[in-house]
Amino acid sequence: SQQGEEDPQALSIQEGENATMNCSYKTSINNLQWYRQNSGRGLVHLILIRSNEREKHSGRLRVTLDTSKKSSSLLITASRAADTASYFCATWWGGNTPLVFGKGTRLSVIA
Amino acid sequence: KAGVTQTPRYLIKTRGQQVTLSCSPISGHRSVSWYQQTPGQGLQFLFEYFSETQRNKGNFPGRFSGRQFSNSRSEMNVSTLELGDSALYLCASSLSGAEETQYFGPGTRLLVL
Repeated sequence: SQQGEEDPQALSIQEGENATMNCSYKTSINNLQWYRQNSGRGLVHLILIRSNEREKHSGRLRVTLDTSKKSSSLLITASRAADTASYFCATWWGGNTPLVFGKGTRLSVIA
Repeated sequence: KAGVTQTPRYLIKTRGQQVTLSCSPISGHRSVSWYQQTPGQGLQFLFEYFSETQRNKGNFPGRFSGRQFSNSRSEMNVSTLELGDSALYLCASSLSGAEETQYFGPGTRLLVL
């Protein structure tokens, strides 16, 4: 399969702690995107990082991309109960190819 | 701008029936992609339409089809429903495709009995 794989599959932390999720992929990509999904609803875009970028920030979110290791990580700092959701990475290889999603990491933030 | 809308939100069908789901993208977006989400398989890509043309198709049987209209609204159809087609069907729109942020609708939850 060409899809990215998130690790861990599930993560449970206390409010205020940081959460780190990883995504690995097998084929060189053009961009990688992270999305959040709350309880069976639609996905919400978090960050898009291109293959020539190494790090991007958005509020409490930090995404890194290591193309030599074919991996990305999503860091959520100072987690809140409202961050409880599933987080997906999606990869795009360029050209006329689709955006392919991994199976996600389920994050539980306990108040 | 209004977000991506999907209708209906919930649907119950029986095996052998067919179903049509609708997706209205954000105004100005020309790319619409469809995904099937199940607990076991995660998000599986179905197809992408751009300017009324199917640009990509995932690995699904021919029972799954779609189309896009001149106003960019898209429909997908599933014929001869099977129990395994029970899933959340999500559509996403963007200006031009996978190189950009995708905006997802709330999904249509299909239950096949």
